[in-house]
Amino acid sequence: DQQVKQNSPSLSVQEGRISILNCDYTNSMFDYFLWYKKYPAEGPTFLISISSIKDKNEDGRFTVFLNKSAKHLSLHIVPSQPGDSAVYFCAASEGPFQGAQKLVFGQGTRLTINP
Amino acid sequence: DAGVTQSPTHLIKTRGQQVTLRCSPKSGHDTVSWYQQALGQGPQFIFQYYEEEERQRGNFPDRFSGHQFPNYSSELNVNALLLGDSALYLCASSLYVGAPEAFFGQGTRLTVV
Repeated sequence: DQQVKQNSPSLSVQEGRISILNCDYTNSMFDYFLWYKKYPAEGPTFLISISSIKDKNEDGRFTVFLNKSAKHLSLHIVPSQPGDSAVYFCAASEGPFQGAQKLVFGQGTRLTINP
Repeated sequence: DAGVTQSPTHLIKTRGQQVTLRCSPKSGHDTVSWYQQALGQGPQFIFQYYEEEERQRGNFPDRFSGHQFPNYSSELNVNALLLGDSALYLCASSLYVGAPEAFFGQGTRLTVV
């Protein structure tokens, strides 16, 4: 049972444009969401997160939007840069600050930024 | 400031053998989690250690076991290796057991032949 789904295995965007990566979840107990970026031969790098009490969180070029009623979140990257080319993973947890925290990951979306 | 470090980076084992993977958490972190990432998939949670005890476990058989040492470093042991255990094994550390963000090492690529 895939509780976190990233339905687009790949996405290609022109440099300077907006990249939008999507993620859906099924477990209504999830209340904390994270995005990680992964380059080949490296571990995932934490990018940005959002709590379920918010619907938007921004950090520089990166913005995450959460739609709880639709159980959907998205990551916007503006403007997209060649260094953003990587695999992006969406992850969810049933609440931080409440003991051991298990992250449930989607399958990942490979983002390619074209010059 | 050293991040999460894992050793070895690559490993080849024969089916039926046992393997031990090692992880040193980021400085100041006391909680370590292990994940398995199969090719083309997202990481899957194996278990988490805090205060030298297993605190939560994912859907993995007992062949997967771990340990955390007083200096917060951790080991992942896998017994009776199967071909399907071939994967990237990722260690992640957190500032404390319920911390919202986990920071990952570069992983150990295990190949079972």
